Amino acid sequence: DGGITQSPKYLFRKEGQNVTLSCEQNLNHDAMYWYRQDPGQGLRLIYYSQIVNDFQKGDIAEGYSVSREKKESFPLTVTSAQKNPTAFYLCASSIVAGGTQPQHFGDGTRLSIL
Amino acid sequence: QQPVQSPQAVILREGEDAVINCSSSKALYSVHWYRQKHGEAPVFLMILLKGGEQKGHEKISASFNEKKQQSSLYLTASQLSYSGTYFCGTGTSSNTGKLIFGQGTTLQVKP
Repeated sequence: DGGITQSPKYLFRKEGQNVTLSCEQNLNHDAMYWYRQDPGQGLRLIYYSQIVNDFQKGDIAEGYSVSREKKESFPLTVTSAQKNPTAFYLCASSIVAGGTQPQHFGDGTRLSIL
Repeated sequence: QQPVQSPQAVILREGEDAVINCSSSKALYSVHWYRQKHGEAPVFLMILLKGGEQKGHEKISASFNEKKQQSSLYLTASQLSYSGTYFCGTGTSSNTGKLIFGQGTTLQVKP
């Protein structure tokens, strides 16, 4: 079955540590997205990529970094510069970039500070 | 610039109807609707596009008022499975999939 796989499901970060969240899709989608969700809040866009080897900052990119070396993979690194990383992180993809296409979400990674 | 959803929360009995509104201060090209159950990923419901028609399937439909930059989601004869948090995501361009999401509307359907 095609879908989006995020791993790990739960992740704990120590002070000063960088952590990487994995997102893999086998839907052959061009566009991929990373969102952050805080309790009782909507989704906020961190980064998005419309095509391999290209990505753009979203609304809250500070303290995060991404890469898009392969079509199916879009890992997110939460750096030590992100002072409040505790949140639910969701990865999504759409068949092409553009507002006409639905976004399909993975099951998320819950990140906490130790 | 975050769209505003109303109401913030609503409680229904099975079989009752509900309307959830999404209002933006920006000129919109698209409005996406998603439903998220607690601890799970959001699930796509429908997209409405500028110049497009009202969408719907079975008991869930939506409209998009381009002049007012508002969209409404209509839930008819609600079922227990409709419970969850509904989010609208607004797009201002046809070229990118960048969406700005509202804060969500929590819907609880009781037997």
